[in-house]
Amino acid sequence: DVKVTQSSRYLVKRTGEKVFLECVQDMDHENMFWYRQDPGLGLRLIYFSYDVKMKEKGDIPEGYSVSREKKERFSLILESASTNQTSMYLCASSLGGAAFSKNIQYFGAGTRLSVL
Amino acid sequence: GENVEQHPSTLSVQEGDSAVIKCTYSDSASNYFPWYKQELGKGPQLIIDIRSNVGEKKDQRIAVTLNKTAKHFSLHITETQPEDSAVYFCAAIPSGGGADGLTFGKGTHLIIQP
Repeated sequence: DVKVTQSSRYLVKRTGEKVFLECVQDMDHENMFWYRQDPGLGLRLIYFSYDVKMKEKGDIPEGYSVSREKKERFSLILESASTNQTSMYLCASSLGGAAFSKNIQYFGAGTRLSVL
Repeated sequence: GENVEQHPSTLSVQEGDSAVIKCTYSDSASNYFPWYKQELGKGPQLIIDIRSNVGEKKDQRIAVTLNKTAKHFSLHITETQPEDSAVYFCAAIPSGGGADGLTFGKGTHLIIQP
């Protein structure tokens, strides 16, 4: 089974702090993604990466950055956390490739971040 | 870019009845449509998907239909059970592939009443 592990289930941080959310996948997937989930807004893509050291902006990248130094690990960074970044953050990965089956995304359990 | 609309946002059905969730998409080039189920405290998990060259796909109590002309697709759950209670998301992947992520609908909270 594909396993996507997010390092924390719950996190409480203060406004202005630098926050790191870590995600690790164990299936040698090429693509990794960070989403945030908010009530009534569904899942929104923040950043994604299709290779080591490669990153692309999603729909809502403002206030976030990412790092992918190793294939299995994709980190989301909040440089200076703000209260409007309080949310559920979901990491996902996919094998990558032209076939439909290679684009199935596997999600972690999520990190619920509260910024006070 | 792709835009996916999902309805209803909340759906309450009696146990044993059927549930239908509907989605529309905007990009006619989209050609793959997965459905995810998110249980409380967990990340979304793929439950069924359909490609644009297929009109219907069934897996036990769940089925998905696709109307490419109208650009809409639906999830059907028959004989609903308590464990079907969850948030369901539809999604679309454009013809360029899934490397740049899925476009999700806003989700439907399905409640199964005993």
